[in-house]
Amino acid sequence: DAGITQSPRHKVTETGTPVTLRCHQTENHRYMYWYRQDPGHGLRLIHYSYGVKDTDKGEVSDGYSVSRSKTEDFLLTLESATSSQTSVYFCAISDVGLEQENEQFFGPGTRLTVL
Amino acid sequence: SQQGEEDPQALSIQEGENATMNCSYKTSINNLQWYRQNSGRGLVHLILIRSNEREKHSGRLRVTLDTSKKSSSLLITASRAADTASYFCATDFRSGNTGKLIFGQGTTLQVKP
Repeated sequence: DAGITQSPRHKVTETGTPVTLRCHQTENHRYMYWYRQDPGHGLRLIHYSYGVKDTDKGEVSDGYSVSRSKTEDFLLTLESATSSQTSVYFCAISDVGLEQENEQFFGPGTRLTVL
Repeated sequence: SQQGEEDPQALSIQEGENATMNCSYKTSINNLQWYRQNSGRGLVHLILIRSNEREKHSGRLRVTLDTSKKSSSLLITASRAADTASYFCATDFRSGNTGKLIFGQGTTLQVKP
């Protein structure tokens, strides 16, 4: 999986609790992304980072925050988990080269269930 | 939404047959990419085609791009049971130097042995 790990791989939590998911890369790629995948919606971008301490919102950012204090780590926090945030979360990385080719490499995913 | 639309949503074929899936998008793009996802796994990049290219090959994969129709197709020739997976197109819609992609909802391919 191109040197990308996600932790935890599975988590069950209760409504209202904070949850933090971690993405760790060993590829030294500049860009990191958090997606959620739900049936009927494909992959939707939550937040992304274009460098240490540089982040921006994606398509479905409400209820989520992110932090990137080191190149290798990108954290996704659900401030107060809700049942609608039950999903599979994927982290991805990329490097946009001179040719503007920005293929993304994905982690194995985290399955989150909010009861 | 700038999201790509894929069809069919699901495709079932016999081993050895060809599989074709299509992707349409709405805005100008830098490139279009195809990814595969096996059940329970992350996505894997298959092939990238730039906006100034019309066709690209990689092994048994053939991708075409028609920017006038804002559409692309992925052809898998001589399919195998191991090709069973979901396939997603993703567009780089000129979002600046962010590397962001917009993914379609995917086509689920089943190849029967």
